[in-house]
Amino acid sequence: AQSVTQLDSHVSVSEGTPVLLRCNYSSSYSPSLFWYVQHPNKGLQLLLKYTSAATLVKGINGFEAEFKKSETSFHLTKPSAHMSDAAEYFCVVSVVGNTGKLIFGQGTTLQVKP
Amino acid sequence: NAGVTQTPKFRVLKTGQSMTLLCAQDMNHEYMYWYRQDPGMGLRLIHYSVGEGTTAKGEVPDGYNVSRLKKQNFLLGLESAAPSQTSVYFCASSYSRNRVRTEAFFGQGTRLTVV
Repeated sequence: AQSVTQLDSHVSVSEGTPVLLRCNYSSSYSPSLFWYVQHPNKGLQLLLKYTSAATLVKGINGFEAEFKKSETSFHLTKPSAHMSDAAEYFCVVSVVGNTGKLIFGQGTTLQVKP
Repeated sequence: NAGVTQTPKFRVLKTGQSMTLLCAQDMNHEYMYWYRQDPGMGLRLIHYSVGEGTTAKGEVPDGYNVSRLKKQNFLLGLESAAPSQTSVYFCASSYSRNRVRTEAFFGQGTRLTVV
């Protein structure tokens, strides 16, 4: 069975400092992995995706993530946080098979302090 | 280009009432999903569909029914609402390209309160 674990439920950083949101996955097969962002009272927006191409994936708004098979990790990073980055972030794995089902992590709330 | 549209956006129900949430997508996607989002639990899959006329149970299907009579629409029904169904509901759609599953596109959500 596939699963995803976000290691921090809450992360707080100062504006201008780096962001690291951690995600580990479990999958018997080479997975497709995604990071989504949700701003308060909004829907979910795709930040970036990994689908077995380059292991370093660049996304929108300066975010990137690196797929590390040996560590079963897909951590999200950004060099310099902006106030507008404050939101909830979800790491997601796509279930192998014909359904396209997505398994969500429990989310990490990013707080950005001025 | 509307993407995925959910109606209604907000609803308050009394315990025991029924209602239907509508999801419409204009991207010709094969796959459609209904998720619920509760604090601290991420999104959990209720039901999904891999094509017109087909539906399947997800992680938390009890108390819900779905139908996909047309490719672009996916309906979520609550026959007898319970307070435990108070949640934010998201519809999503996706497709595959060269046998690789793509990301899902989400609607803006429906905030449902059952009193």
